[in-house]
Amino acid sequence: DAKTTQPPSMDCAEGRAANLPCNHSTISGNEYVYWYRQIHSQGPQYIIHGLKNNETNEMASLIITEDRKSSTLILPHATLRDTAVYYCIVSVRTGGTSYGKLTFGQGTILTVHP
Amino acid sequence: DAGVIQSPRHEVTEMGQEVTLRCKPISGHDYLFWYRQTMMRGLELLIYFNNNVPIDDSGMPEDRFSAKMPNASFSTLKIQPSEPRDSAVYFCASSLRGGGPQETQYFGPGTRLLVL
Repeated sequence: DAKTTQPPSMDCAEGRAANLPCNHSTISGNEYVYWYRQIHSQGPQYIIHGLKNNETNEMASLIITEDRKSSTLILPHATLRDTAVYYCIVSVRTGGTSYGKLTFGQGTILTVHP
Repeated sequence: DAGVIQSPRHEVTEMGQEVTLRCKPISGHDYLFWYRQTMMRGLELLIYFNNNVPIDDSGMPEDRFSAKMPNASFSTLKIQPSEPRDSAVYFCASSLRGGGPQETQYFGPGTRLLVL
């Protein structure tokens, strides 16, 4: 799986948009970009995923560059409850033995402050 | 659905003792994953099952660790004998294969293990 690079920490004011970057310059054509987050003392939680098109759901938006070498997770109106570690992961979705394997890096610690 | 259920939530034991962690995946999910999280190594995949069959156990640290899935609704991760370096949070996750959003992994709350 491709390696990802994320800033170790970021701050965001409550109510503002949080934009979390991720570099995955070695991503392959069949690898998806996944975002998970982990709130303190809880298990990781799925946020969103995409292949090459921008995606949006009730939690966030995912912007993937045209060359797919980087992406940005956007939380449009961050709240204090969004304070968490955010993981950017690239993974192949296949039915083979590599299916579903998520390799978590160190992630970005997002702190939302009042 | 209650989500992925893990028990116990906390476990304190002494070195050399056997430890058994339990997981009940989300009903209908046919993939089950065991992860371990420590400050030093982060979140690591230990083993995963498909339809109760172990597919990839390359992340299992050593022979002291074993995992079973006797049926679709139950899995165990056993450590025997336990050592202080096994202290970590152990997460279980499950997913539904399908090639779409169903492949999302849903994590349980974790078991916090402390080996003295």
